[in-house]
Amino acid sequence: AQTVTQSQPEMSVQEAETVTLSCTYDTSENNYYLFWYKQPPSRQMILVMRQEAYKQQNATENRFSVNFQKAAKSFSLKISDSQLGDTAMYFCAFMANNQGGKLIFGQGTELSVKP
Amino acid sequence: DVKVTQSSRYLVKRTGEKVFLECVQDMDHENMFWYRQDPGLGLRLIYFSYDVKMKEKGDIPEGYSVSREKKERFSLILESASTNQTSMYLCASSLLTGPEAEAFFGQGTRLTVV
Repeated sequence: AQTVTQSQPEMSVQEAETVTLSCTYDTSENNYYLFWYKQPPSRQMILVMRQEAYKQQNATENRFSVNFQKAAKSFSLKISDSQLGDTAMYFCAFMANNQGGKLIFGQGTELSVKP
Repeated sequence: DVKVTQSSRYLVKRTGEKVFLECVQDMDHENMFWYRQDPGLGLRLIYFSYDVKMKEKGDIPEGYSVSREKKERFSLILESASTNQTSMYLCASSLLTGPEAEAFFGQGTRLTVV
């Protein structure tokens, strides 16, 4: 069975600074995807980053980037130049390629960006 | 614009009531899912469906059932609501597999059972 662990229940960062959210996972699968979802106070889950396990290159999208360490089964999210609108719950999620889209989520990290 | 719509944002029900949570998607997705979100536990899968009239149990199906009579609609049913089912419920849909298997979520229904 796959598991996803986010060991930081809460984090805080000053506006304009950089923060890294941690995620580790456990699986015996070779083909899978990893995701970071953002859930702001509006509760609407938004996909932030996606990483395909067979791709070595770490994904980057504007201020967001991931550090994917396949051997260590680690998938951290770095947010640069943090903005007040980044305040949200962040979930790391795993999806095996042969599981029909089922997501396995971590416990979540509540991020507060302070002015 | 991709849309997953849950019928209620907030719901208060009494213990023992039969509760229906409705979810509709407009993207012609095959897969639909019901998750339950609790603090410190993340999201856990209750039930999912790959096709009309098809359903499979997720990790925590006890006390729940589902119905999928049409491709766009997936209903979660609490047969006899109990206080330990007080939670946030999130519906999602996705294409079957592959790089496009990104899940799209509804805005959630916060259910309180009193």
